Amino acid sequence: FMLTQPHSVSESPGKTVIVSCTRSSGSIASNYVQWYQQRPGSSPTTVIYEDSQRPSGVPDRFSGSIDSSSNSASLTISGLKTEDEADYYCQSYASSDFWVFGGGTKLTVL
Amino acid sequence: EVQLVESGGGLVQPGGSLRLSCATSGFTFSRYWMSWVRQVPGKGLEWVANIKQDGSQKYFVDSVKGRFTISRDNAKSSLYLQMNSLRAEDTAVYYCARSDDYGDYPDYWGQGTLVTVSS
Repeated sequence: FMLTQPHSVSESPGKTVIVSCTRSSGSIASNYVQWYQQRPGSSPTTVIYEDSQRPSGVPDRFSGSIDSSSNSASLTISGLKTEDEADYYCQSYASSDFWVFGGGTKLTVL
Repeated sequence: EVQLVESGGGLVQPGGSLRLSCATSGFTFSRYWMSWVRQVPGKGLEWVANIKQDGSQKYFVDSVKGRFTISRDNAKSSLYLQMNSLRAEDTAVYYCARSDDYGDYPDYWGQGTLVTVSS
C-alpha cells in the first residue's frame, strides 16, 4: 500500500494546521501510524507514535489521530511556532514492504 | 541518552562496495530490532533493511536484495550495512534507526552518512 500526504501546507504562527496521510489499500487501523519531524539539515525525530502517543519531550501542541471513514491519519499541530517549520512524514508497517513512508509534507509557518 | 552514530559513507564508483557502521549507546542494543533508512537529498524517506534482535531475521527493500547485507554485533552494540554492486540510484543519506520491540517502526535515528555513487 501507499501513504499519500499533501506536498505542502502553510499557516500563520499561533494557528492550527492538520497534515493528512491517506492509506491507499487496507485499513488505516490495521497497523499503527507514526509521524516524524525533519528540520532542514537534521535527521528525523518522532513526534507521534502508535497513532496518537507523544514521546516525552514533544509538546502537547502535537496530536495524532486516525479516521477509518477516510482511511487516513492526521497530525494536528496547534499554537504554531516558527520552530515547527519542517518536513513531516507519516509511516506505517506493511508485512510485505516492512516499512512504508508517506512522501512528506513541507510545513511553512508564515 | 540514546545515541546512534553512523560512519563509512563517501564517494564510490558504480559497481563498487562500501560498508556502513552504526555505533550505538544509551540503550540495551541486543533488545531491539535495528534498521537502515535512506533519503535521497531533497527527497523522502525509504526503508532499506531491518534485522531482528538476534540477527535471525533480515528483511530488505526489493531494490537492494542480493546487493546489500545487514548485520549486527551485539557485543559491540553496532549495526552494519554492506553495500555491493552500488548504483547511481543508491546515492543517498543513510540513517541508522532503532526500532520498537517488534520492528514495526523506527523510534530513534542517527545523524546519517552520505553515500555518493558516481564516476
